[in-house]
Amino acid sequence: GENVEQHPSTLSVQEGDSAVIKCTYSDSASNYFPWYKQELGKGPQLIIDIRSNVGEKKDQRIAVTLNKTAKHFSLHITETQPEDSAVYFCAASISGSARQLTFGSGTQLTVLP
Amino acid sequence: KAGVTQTPRYLIKTRGQQVTLSCSPISGHRSVSWYQQTPGQGLQFLFEYFSETQRNKGNFPGRFSGRQFSNSRSEMNVSTLELGDSALYLCASSLVGFPNYGYTFGSGTRLTVV
Repeated sequence: GENVEQHPSTLSVQEGDSAVIKCTYSDSASNYFPWYKQELGKGPQLIIDIRSNVGEKKDQRIAVTLNKTAKHFSLHITETQPEDSAVYFCAASISGSARQLTFGSGTQLTVLP
Repeated sequence: KAGVTQTPRYLIKTRGQQVTLSCSPISGHRSVSWYQQTPGQGLQFLFEYFSETQRNKGNFPGRFSGRQFSNSRSEMNVSTLELGDSALYLCASSLVGFPNYGYTFGSGTRLTVV
């Protein structure tokens, strides 16, 4: 089955700096890659996603890039703010057939004021 | 509109007991998926229900089961609880069950087995 690896497990940045979280996946059939943010005491919340026919997608301060050849995708957060502090998860699935997500192990992002 | 509601938020059970968790999906959503979240194993898929039918199941023992009612509400049951079942149990609802069509998670039920 699919395996998703995520790095780093913890990341601390100064407010205003950028943060990058990287994931790799194993199943070349995977074609849907969402990113979730989980705050303390809450469930994961979808923040951005990308499909395999797109190489990059942006939404304000958040962007995701995908390299299908390398089976690698990344989350970029610019101009980080204290409210960005949370655990971030990447995930993968096969759009249209898989009815489940395979998640990475998570990255605890701390934005220092 | 109201989000995904999971009850109860917290549970403490003793080894060997059984437990039932409840999930009410977003109005109009017909699919409910369940995930287990632990520090060691992360987020792992348990099963998915659509129109009262289990369509997909993860790699968990038969002690984990679920069902879905005609109003799309879902319950999951864990029998003969083990210490390792302590986890945050999350449900996610969606219109048709495929994550890429929109997956909304509830806040979870924190189960502690003592």
